[in-house]
Amino acid sequence: DAGITQSPRHKVTETGTPVTLRCHQTENHRYMYWYRQDPGHGLRLIHYSYGVKDTDKGEVSDGYSVSRSKTEDFLLTLESATSSQTSVYFCAISAGQLNQPQHFGDGTRLSIL
Amino acid sequence: AQSVTQLGSHVSVSEGALVLLRCNYSSSVPPYLFWYVQYPNQGLQLLLKYTTGATLVKGINGFEAEFKKSETSFHLTKPSAHMSDAAEYFCAVSAENTGNQFYFGTGTSLTVIP
Repeated sequence: DAGITQSPRHKVTETGTPVTLRCHQTENHRYMYWYRQDPGHGLRLIHYSYGVKDTDKGEVSDGYSVSRSKTEDFLLTLESATSSQTSVYFCAISAGQLNQPQHFGDGTRLSIL
Repeated sequence: AQSVTQLGSHVSVSEGALVLLRCNYSSSVPPYLFWYVQYPNQGLQLLLKYTTGATLVKGINGFEAEFKKSETSFHLTKPSAHMSDAAEYFCAVSAENTGNQFYFGTGTSLTVIP
């Protein structure tokens, strides 16, 4: 399995608090992605990174920010969490070639009360 | 723009019966197509992929899929369902004009009835 670690695996917090999720990879892959998974919506891309300090928005980026200061780490931050951001968040990595698959972490289950 | 449609959010089959999960895609350029499986409380695992070449691709756990350009389809099949196949299945597409993004379908939940 691809070496991807997401932390924390579970988190419960209150509306209005900041939350940071971490994705750590040991594969030295160039591309990293953050998705959210919600019933009936499948996976939706939040942000992705194509290198250190290089990031771009995905389909559902509002309310989220990301940072990538090292190849191996990609952070997702909810500056002021809202109940609509309750979801399961997945990190994925890829070498960058489009004919190569993305590999996924085990997810972070985030509940915002 | 790319998109993926998975017909049937829930599919039930009897153990030993044929599994057929449908995926249709939309792409203005030649697509790369993927099927993933997700077990409860886990991330997505790659089942198989189509990039170029043979249109019938075989994956893990006895699954296979056929790329049909004329039908813009990439349906997933398995001749004989096993209880362990119960999971969520996702089809995904990427292409040269997607900016290294993948587009996922909304998923099909497979139930296997003993």
